[in-house]
Amino acid sequence: GNSVTQMEGPVTLSEEAFLTINCTYTATGYPSLFWYVQYPGEGLQLLLKATKADDKGSNKGFEATYRKETTSFHLEKGSVQVSDSAVYFCAPTRDDKIIFGKGTRLHILP
Amino acid sequence: KAGVTQTPRYLIKTRGQQVTLSCSPISGHRSVSWYQQTPGQGLQFLFEYFSETQRNKGNFPGRFSGRQFSNSRSEMNVSTLELGDSALYLCASSYVSMTSGVVNEQFFGPGTRLTVL
Repeated sequence: GNSVTQMEGPVTLSEEAFLTINCTYTATGYPSLFWYVQYPGEGLQLLLKATKADDKGSNKGFEATYRKETTSFHLEKGSVQVSDSAVYFCAPTRDDKIIFGKGTRLHILP
Repeated sequence: KAGVTQTPRYLIKTRGQQVTLSCSPISGHRSVSWYQQTPGQGLQFLFEYFSETQRNKGNFPGRFSGRQFSNSRSEMNVSTLELGDSALYLCASSYVSMTSGVVNEQFFGPGTRLTVL
């Protein structure tokens, strides 16, 4: 069946550090790939997405590239800020089915 | 456009009681999904409704049920509450293509925090 694997958290970084959160998935066909973010006390919101191979999604300094050959969609940011502290979810979506990863909690220290 | 709204935001119940949570999707969105979020299990999919029909279902016992009305508003019901049902319940709505049935980006509400004592 379809599944998604995200790196375990929590991830703790200092401000201005480089961030990578790994995400790999298994799915039939070619799903659309999403990253959602959940800030403290809020629901999830879309961070970025990519709908076909080699597409790069980007938003708020975050980027992720749809890698069909490695079935991955790793989230990166060159210089994190304290305000990026949140939980990040990778979510492959195929037709009418969405699979959420377990989430990676990110703590950014000032 | 107004976002997804959920009521109530907070709820305290005792074991054995039942509870009904409500979700109003974004106007024009016909798909509504429900999720349970806990520190231990993370985000778990409960079910999805589309055009008043349950289209997908997660692995939850029959105590968890839902429905969708003709205006796309959805309710979720949990009967015979257990302590382990304490969680944040999130609702998400999505626009679905009428021709393909494909789900696009999900828009989440702020959640209902349920505490079972």
